[in-house]
Amino acid sequence: DVKVTQSSRYLVKRTGEKVFLECVQDMDHENMFWYRQDPGLGLRLIYFSYDVKMKEKGDIPEGYSVSREKKERFSLILESASTNQTSMYLCASSLYGVNTEAFFGQGTRLTVV
Amino acid sequence: GNSVTQMEGPVTLSEEAFLTINCTYTATGYPSLFWYVQYPGEGLQLLLKATKADDKGSNKGFEATYRKETTSFHLEKGSVQVSDSAVYFCALSEPGGSEKLVFGKGMKLTVNP
Repeated sequence: DVKVTQSSRYLVKRTGEKVFLECVQDMDHENMFWYRQDPGLGLRLIYFSYDVKMKEKGDIPEGYSVSREKKERFSLILESASTNQTSMYLCASSLYGVNTEAFFGQGTRLTVV
Repeated sequence: GNSVTQMEGPVTLSEEAFLTINCTYTATGYPSLFWYVQYPGEGLQLLLKATKADDKGSNKGFEATYRKETTSFHLEKGSVQVSDSAVYFCALSEPGGSEKLVFGKGMKLTVNP
């Protein structure tokens, strides 16, 4: 089974802290994604990566950065956390190619206080 | 840009009721279409997909047909169960290899015994 693992289920951080959300996949997928999920807004793409050291901005990249030093790991970084970044964060991965399924982690519920 | 519009709910049904969740899309080219489901406390998982016009995806009693003429991908199930209680997301993948997914806002379904 494909497994996408996010390092934390729940996190509480203070405003201004630098926050790292980690995601690891074990199926050698080229593509990896970070979404945030908010009530009434669905899932919105923050960043994605289709190869090591490659990254592209999604729809809402402001306030975030990412790192992909190894194929299996994709990190989301909140440089200076703010309360409006309180959300559910979902990581996903997929094979490069046409019509491929994305596999999701269980999500990290981040609260910024 | 590409977008997905779906019924948002929330919707409450009795067990064995008929379910339809409407989904329409706007896209350039020929996207693949997906329904994802999120059970309480879990990440998203693929429910079904269709990759070209007139394809029908099916799984666990759910069905959806890719209708290019109406740009729709409505989800149906003839008889829902309590275990179908979840949030349902319609999505399309943007052609081009990275398979970036664009999601609708999701619809929460509660099925009562």
